[in-house]
Amino acid sequence: EADIYQTPRYLVIGTGKKITLECSQTMGHDKMYWYQQDPGMELHLIHYSYGVNSTEKGDLSSESTVSRIRTEHFPLTLESARPSHTSQYLCASSERWRNQPQHFGDGTRLSIL
Amino acid sequence: AQKITQTQPGMFVQEKEAVTLDCTYDTSDPSYGLFWYKQPSSGEMIFLIYQGSYDQQNATEGRYSLNFQKARKSANLVISASQLGDSAMYFCAMREQTGANNLFFGTGTRLTVIP
Repeated sequence: EADIYQTPRYLVIGTGKKITLECSQTMGHDKMYWYQQDPGMELHLIHYSYGVNSTEKGDLSSESTVSRIRTEHFPLTLESARPSHTSQYLCASSERWRNQPQHFGDGTRLSIL
Repeated sequence: AQKITQTQPGMFVQEKEAVTLDCTYDTSDPSYGLFWYKQPSSGEMIFLIYQGSYDQQNATEGRYSLNFQKARKSANLVISASQLGDSAMYFCAMREQTGANNLFFGTGTRLTVIP
């Protein structure tokens, strides 16, 4: 069973606040990812990382930033939340080989008022 | 061009019947992997099954099987003996060997199992 954890599970917060979504995995995976997903819609890759000190932007432009100081930790930060940031954010990790699946956390459902 | 195409926004199936969810893909990479994920209403993504481009046989995992037709670039998911708990969104995804080696997801199919 995959060991990847996201907190918080749900967050309702006001406009202009700084938000950090946490993601941690205990599998020692090099690659980690953040996806944004609106309800019932497809997943959009917004950030990924090959390993420590590596961060890359994904296919969908996002105002969020990420960091990868430790292998197991890949937090996502929004400096000033806006209603347009309301969405579900999914974190995933994988080994680097093409036949290895990405393992997902339970997601954070973010609502900006 | 879309890397992964799922043409069925929604599907209905009677409980205990089999259902096929369609997925076609587009790649020029000779080495790639195909994945199916299930997403219940609670939101988490659950890995179901994997098929490699060089695998000779279709992948199977319990009630899930993958109908892999390489020449047609299709990787349809077959769920046998549907259960009420199978009601969920299902996403097809592809991972290429080259490039960033990330997953490309389709738009998903919402499956509803009818009692």
